[in-house]
Amino acid sequence: SQELEQSPQSLIVQEGKNLTINCTSSKTLYGLYWYKQKYGEGLIFLMMLQKGGEEKSHEKITAKLDEKKQQSSLHITASQPSHAGIYLCGAVLISNFGNEKLTFGTGTRLTIIP
Amino acid sequence: DAGITQSPRYKITETGRQVTLMCHQTWSHSYMFWYRQDLGHGLRLIYYSAAADITDKGEVPDGYVVSRSKTENFPLTLESATRSQTSVYFCASSERGGLYTGELFFGEGSRLTVL
Repeated sequence: SQELEQSPQSLIVQEGKNLTINCTSSKTLYGLYWYKQKYGEGLIFLMMLQKGGEEKSHEKITAKLDEKKQQSSLHITASQPSHAGIYLCGAVLISNFGNEKLTFGTGTRLTIIP
Repeated sequence: DAGITQSPRYKITETGRQVTLMCHQTWSHSYMFWYRQDLGHGLRLIYYSAAADITDKGEVPDGYVVSRSKTENFPLTLESATRSQTSVYFCASSERGGLYTGELFFGEGSRLTVL
């Protein structure tokens, strides 16, 4: 099973609408990262959250970290076609062997329709 | 140009052939990573390196070999390619690792098809 679960797996949203993507960890989170990937391209760093309750915003994208729930949410306000792509969350998790590893979720594919 | 570059961007090979994917970064970042991206699995870590001559296995290392003789280069070799290794491969680098990894900088990816 995935250690980082993202939901939903895909999302189709009308332009101008708000949306939320969630990332839930089965283990304690040590830092949570959000990346965006345009189709066929590399990953672009959006933001990093490190403290419980931390909230960061960049333009119309806001991410929050709930350390107790081991969960992060990414919220996009008034979506635009430029927001389309695959959003991935990543986190440093402690493996069963006690070492740290940077793990990514399976991604959420966002489509914006006019 | 500064940044992280991967080559080749596209490669088609046959089962059993050896393939090497190159990764070069100009920031002198200590940490470098190789991921593969597959539908339904997201990004999975193959190998990573904390410094020159220091490498370690990730989640899916079988069938892959890495080396890091210089800080700026981190080649990934498939010694005998299999169809299951058809994937998009991403190289990444970061200044730090472990619990304080920070931002990863990704290359544009290498799409490998094994026939």
